[in-house]
Amino acid sequence: GDSVTQMEGPVTLSEEAFLTINCTYTATGYPSLFWYVQYPGEGLQLLLKATKADDKGSNKGFEATYRKETTSFHLEKGSVQVSDSAVYFCALSDHQGAQKLVFGQGTRLTINP
Amino acid sequence: DTGVSQDPRHKITKRGQNVTFRCDPISEHNRLYWYRQTLGQGPEFLTYFQNEAQLEKSRLLSDRFSAERPKGSFSTLEIQRTEQGDSAMYLCASSLDQGSGANVLTFGAGSRLTVL
Repeated sequence: GDSVTQMEGPVTLSEEAFLTINCTYTATGYPSLFWYVQYPGEGLQLLLKATKADDKGSNKGFEATYRKETTSFHLEKGSVQVSDSAVYFCALSDHQGAQKLVFGQGTRLTINP
Repeated sequence: DTGVSQDPRHKITKRGQNVTFRCDPISEHNRLYWYRQTLGQGPEFLTYFQNEAQLEKSRLLSDRFSAERPKGSFSTLEIQRTEQGDSAMYLCASSLDQGSGANVLTFGAGSRLTVL
């Protein structure tokens, strides 16, 4: 079945550092890809998405590009802030039936001032 | 609209008791999903409704679990004869089926279950 593998955490960075969180997927078709973020005590929030190959999703300074050839959707940010501390989840959904999300295990990010 | 609401936020129960969680989705959303999330893991799909019809269930959803969405609006997830392994965060999400494009799910804050 479909699956998502994320870079293991936790990841700890200093403020203004460059961030990459790796995500690769396995799917039988051409899924949509997502990054969700979970701040402490809050629900999952959509951060960005991409629906087809070479699409770039972006939001709040974060970016990820849908790479079909490497089946990847790595999350990047040029300069992180303390407020970016959260757990980040990569996910995919197919385009048929329930279109349910299949999640990776999550990567906990801590940004130190 | 205030988003997806879940109640209760926390539930502590003894093994063998029944518990019920409620989810109120975004009002115009016709799709509703339940997920389970254990510590340090990503959410795992449990079941899905399109309006009032339950169209898909995961193998994770044992016969002790039942979900309903009687009028295509709010949904309930009941767990009978709870076991310690049921301790988890139960997440509800909703979305609007627009026929094309990405299906974007909006999640509630979750209901945390602790089984003693």
